[in-house]
Amino acid sequence: EPEVTQTPSHQVTQMGQEVILRCVPISNHLYFYWYRQILGQKVEFLVSFYNNEISEKSEIFDDQFSVERPDGSNFTLKIRSTKLEDSAMYFCASSGFGNQPQHFGDGTRLSIL
Amino acid sequence: DAKTTQPNSMESNEEEPVHLPCNHSTISGTDYIHWYRQLPSQGPEYVIHGLTSNVNNRMASLAIAEDRKSSTLILHRATLRDAAVYYCILEGSGAGSYQLTFGKGTKLSVIP
Repeated sequence: EPEVTQTPSHQVTQMGQEVILRCVPISNHLYFYWYRQILGQKVEFLVSFYNNEISEKSEIFDDQFSVERPDGSNFTLKIRSTKLEDSAMYFCASSGFGNQPQHFGDGTRLSIL
Repeated sequence: DAKTTQPNSMESNEEEPVHLPCNHSTISGTDYIHWYRQLPSQGPEYVIHGLTSNVNNRMASLAIAEDRKSSTLILHRATLRDAAVYYCILEGSGAGSYQLTFGKGTKLSVIP
């Protein structure tokens, strides 16, 4: 069964550094999402992306965050200047159409030192 | 956002059926009811969804109340692999929003 893959599985970064989290969505999917989960807390929506532009974003997704689909297969989340509170699991998801079930990757654990 | 209410935790014996309840009294007419689960150290996994009618798939069944203010996820025979946090989520794609709003969910423990 096709799956969403995320790399790296664990990223350790110094505070203030830029980090890029990478995702390969399911190949024929059109909608892409990023969520995050701080340790012990709920899964939180960050952003959705369709047709090469952001379709929805949450209050968490401020100017420090950006997303990109640089080629036909990858979907990336960039955090420009990381803060300690950015430490979390980041999940990428994709769906065929917006109202279809979302398929999640196993996440990237981001640790900010 | 319409909200859901689920018990914090439930226990089930292995190979017994499990009924996971969810209340969503403020559901709107265009909200779909989705269930996802999250196994330890993994991303959320889609289980099932429905709008008005009961739904069955290979993983589970979804029973939706006639007034749509509550629903029940039914696992017909719990296995150890079903131990996870189960999330009941209202998805407002009818209003053009596809984001999933996760609550705390129900942590299901399966006893061998």
